[in-house]
Formats: sequence, structure tokens, C-alpha cells
Amino acid sequence: TQLLEQSPQFLSIQEGENLTVYCNSSSVFSSLQWYRQEPGEGPVLLVTVVTGGEVKKLKRLTFQFGDARKDSSLHITAAQPGDTGLYLCAASSGSARQLTFGSGTQLTVLP
Amino acid sequence: EPEVTQTPSHQVTQMGQEVILRCVPISNHLYFYWYRQILGQKVEFLVSFYNNEISEKSEIFDDQFSVERPDGSNFTLKIRSTKLEDSAMYFCASTGYWGINEQYFGPGTRLTVT
Repeated sequence: TQLLEQSPQFLSIQEGENLTVYCNSSSVFSSLQWYRQEPGEGPVLLVTVVTGGEVKKLKRLTFQFGDARKDSSLHITAAQPGDTGLYLCAASSGSARQLTFGSGTQLTVLP
Repeated sequence: EPEVTQTPSHQVTQMGQEVILRCVPISNHLYFYWYRQILGQKVEFLVSFYNNEISEKSEIFDDQFSVERPDGSNFTLKIRSTKLEDSAMYFCASTGYWGINEQYFGPGTRLTVT
């Protein structure tokens, strides 16, 4: 069973600061997704990465997939209060399509 | 923008009762999934469904659970005899591509078993 470890678990920063959250495993993934989840709602897909070393940008969010496809990071530049939320990574390996989720990073951006 | 929808948003039931949770996946998607999230815990995979049959299931998905695609649009999860520990948010997801496992989630059904 693959495990996804996310760090930090909680992060509270001031508006305008930069931050990075991490998603790590000992397993190799075929693809990895980042989601954002608000309380009482379903995960909303932000990005999918599939190639080792891949970097994807979504406005102020930069996602990187590790060269060995075992880890990923999410970097937010100039965080805003609207970025507040739970950020989840999820991955699948081999031919399996079931997603394994991490526990998430709860981000709070203070105005 | 196409989205996955789920009904009801909240279901309260008594222990031992049967419940059916409904989902309408994104039109033209081919793969369908159910996940659950117990309050304060991780999202957990239950089952995946493709070409009118189960393709993967977790150990959580025991004989009390079943899935069905009764028509061309709906995808349902049935729990035959609910237990207190079945209380959770249940999420439906779908994806349309074989190669890239990009799953889109619905808003969830909150199931409360009393």
C-alpha cells in the first residue's frame, strides 16, 4: 500500500508571503494530482503531473513532479486570503486507477 | 463547465437501513469512482467502475456495498444495512481518459447513520 506524506500539516502565513508544501512517498507514481478542498465540499482538481521533472504553473501556483516520480511540491507566490484551504495530493501507480490521498496541508493566509 | 453532481446532499438514516447515493458523472466520461471521507480523516477509495463492471475495489467495499449504472447517466452506491461507522462524506468521481488518471469529484453526500 502506497502512503503519501504531506508536509507541513498546518501552515499559517501573512498575505503576500511565498510558501511551499510537499507530498512525498517511497513509491513511484504513474500520475499525481493536487486538489483543493473546502469544508463540506468535494476535492477540486488543480493540476495533474505525469512526467518526472515536470513543472506546471497555474497563475501564482507552481507544481513540480520529482525526477523519480516519488514526490511533488506546490509553491504559491504572493499568497492571498483566497488561497486559504486544504491542499491535497493524490496519486495512482502502475495500471491501477484508484487514487491514494495524502492527509493534506491546511493553509491559512491572514490579511 | 461540465461537473459531477450528487444527490442527496445530506442523508440521515437509521442503523440497519438501506441507502442509495446517486451520482451523475460528467457526460462522455467512461470511468466512475466512489470515495468516502470520515470526518477529520483522509479521502479513501472504495470502488472503480468501467464498462458496466467493477474494475477495482478496496477492502472497505465489502458485501454490504454495491454499485450500479442503471441508465446512461446515473451511477449509484448502495449500502444494504448501514452501520454507525458508515457515517461519512461519500464522493463520486469520474474520468474520461484511459491514459491520464484525472479524476473530477462531485460535491459529496453527507451520510449520517443514527
